[in-house]
Amino acid sequence: AQKVTQAQTEISVVEKEDVTLDCVYETRDTTYYLFWYKQPPSGELVFLIRRNSFDEQNEISGRYSWNFQKSTSSFNFTITASQVVDSAVYFCALSEAGGFKTIFGAGTRLFVKA
Amino acid sequence: SQTIHQWPATLVQPVGSPLSLECTVEGTSNPNLYWYRQAAGRGLQLLFYSVGIGQISSEVPQNLSASRPQDRQFILSSKKLLLSDSGFYLCAWSSRQGNNSPLHFGNGTRLTVT
Repeated sequence: AQKVTQAQTEISVVEKEDVTLDCVYETRDTTYYLFWYKQPPSGELVFLIRRNSFDEQNEISGRYSWNFQKSTSSFNFTITASQVVDSAVYFCALSEAGGFKTIFGAGTRLFVKA
Repeated sequence: SQTIHQWPATLVQPVGSPLSLECTVEGTSNPNLYWYRQAAGRGLQLLFYSVGIGQISSEVPQNLSASRPQDRQFILSSKKLLLSDSGFYLCAWSSRQGNNSPLHFGNGTRLTVT
């Protein structure tokens, strides 16, 4: 069965600190997709990134970076020089190739204090 | 560009009353449509998904139902609400093009059953 674990329930940092959100997943599929979504206080989930299981290259987008390691079944998300606007709940998610079900982790609530 | 509309934003209903939440998508054709529920402090639970008009797949047995009367319209219903139906309901769509396209979410409906 597929499972996504985000062990960090809440993280609190001071602005400009770097923060890493952990995500560990379980799947028996060899082809799968991993996602990160952001849910700001307004409630709407916003897609951040998608990775397929064959692409282990780390990715950087501005202050955001993602570290995908199949050996440890992890897909961690780092925010560099955090800002107050980064305060949100972040969800890691997993879906099997060609499937319709996306399994979400419980989310990590990030507080960035000014 | 594609947009997704979901209403109402908030709803307070007594136990035993009916429910109808509506979601429409604009700017795309033949989308996959989804209903998710987010309980307080928990991840997102997939309730229903649809790959076409009249085609509904249920993921969780419950007193909720879904219908897709038109290509870009997805409705979540209940004949009699339970207290446990309280939560944040999110409609989402994804493209059928490509593999495992990301989900695009509406603003959500916060349902309180009293």
